Amino acid sequence: AQSVTQLDSHVSVSEGTPVLLRCNYSSSYSPSLFWYVQHPNKGLQLLLKYTSAATLVKGINGFEAEFKKSETSFHLTKPSAHMSDAAEYFCVVPNQAGTALIFGKGTTLSVSS
Amino acid sequence: DTEVTQTPKHLVMGMTNKKSLKCEQHMGHRAMYWYKQKAKKPPELMFVYSYEKLSINESVPSRFSPECPNSSLLNLHLHALQPEDSALYLCASSGGRAVYGYTFGSGTRLTVV
Repeated sequence: AQSVTQLDSHVSVSEGTPVLLRCNYSSSYSPSLFWYVQHPNKGLQLLLKYTSAATLVKGINGFEAEFKKSETSFHLTKPSAHMSDAAEYFCVVPNQAGTALIFGKGTTLSVSS
Repeated sequence: DTEVTQTPKHLVMGMTNKKSLKCEQHMGHRAMYWYKQKAKKPPELMFVYSYEKLSINESVPSRFSPECPNSSLLNLHLHALQPEDSALYLCASSGGRAVYGYTFGSGTRLTVV
């Protein structure tokens, strides 16, 4: 069965420093993978997706993620954090039937000035 | 139009009330979804509609009743809810299988008193 594990429930960074949010996946094949962001009291916005094309995926707002099959990882990075990046981030994978998305538990990103 | 629109944004209802949540998309997507999200938790799948037919019901109590009148519209009818049903209800749509990702609405914040 498909699943994702977000390794950190909370990450704190200073404005202007790099961001790393970690996600490991479990799958019997190379899955599609997504990162979604949710700002307080808002819906979910797609940051980026991996669908077996390039392993380094660029998303919106300067975020990118690298699919590493050998490590079963899909970590989200950004070179320089901005205050507006403070939000909840979800790593997401489709279920095996491809009929629904399965969410990780989420990582709260805090950015201090 | 690349949006999923949910109304109302906020709803307070008593345990004996009947109310409905509405979701609309005009992207030509043929799959639509209802998710429930409690505070500090990831979204949990409730229902999936594919080509206007209910394809997945994740053992949701009958006090929640979904309806898909046409390919652009999805409703969630609420009756005799409990305070623990208070949550953010998210609607999403996708152009095909979940491997392509979803577009989410901004949600309805429901409070049951």
